[in-house]
Amino acid sequence: EAGVVQSPRYKIIEKKQPVAFWCNPISGHNTLYWYLQNLGQGPELLIRYENEEAVDDSQLPKDRFSAERLKGVDSTLKIQPAELGDSAVYLCASSFRSGTQYFGPGTRLTVL
Amino acid sequence: KQEVTQIPAALSVPEGENLVLNCSFTDSAIYNLQWFRQDPGKGLTSLLLIQSSQREQTSGRLNASLDKSSGRSTLYIAASQPGDSATYLCAVETGANSKLTFGKGITLSVRP
Repeated sequence: EAGVVQSPRYKIIEKKQPVAFWCNPISGHNTLYWYLQNLGQGPELLIRYENEEAVDDSQLPKDRFSAERLKGVDSTLKIQPAELGDSAVYLCASSFRSGTQYFGPGTRLTVL
Repeated sequence: KQEVTQIPAALSVPEGENLVLNCSFTDSAIYNLQWFRQDPGKGLTSLLLIQSSQREQTSGRLNASLDKSSGRSTLYIAASQPGDSATYLCAVETGANSKLTFGKGITLSVRP
């Protein structure tokens, strides 16, 4: 069974540019999470989806970050415009309802 | 606000040693506690999940215990091996939205 797939694995951009990350969850998992992990820190939840609905986006900086999960399967997280402080690893996870979360390998973003 | 602490931040031990990793949390009203492993440049892999009503869980050489009233958990690794070298993160689940709050992790190095 395929795990959580994320792309790209690495992304380097200049500040003020837009960037998008894609996540495909494990088949059958209706809950999808986006996390931000800074170096030396644990992951912090940005947004959680139940099917197509964002049920917790309280930690998502909505002035520059947006996310969508239009068909309740794969999801895209976007930053526009990116800032130097956005350099981090962006992790996607999925679960069946509120069960164990399975994490993807992450996208490492570097903003120059 | 839930806070999760893992001390020390790094640990180096010789191969074969039994070791204990500690985790503490401030709010005892948790649904469960999980221990994750993260290899460099990779996502998180769930090792053990302890429900709030449980005291411990075991998987192979790993044993995790939970003392909810005192806000503590330990991960015991028996007969450590170089392949156990990784960062170990503790996370507690709280709230109706299954929010995971992570510690910063303990980076373990097992010397051959």
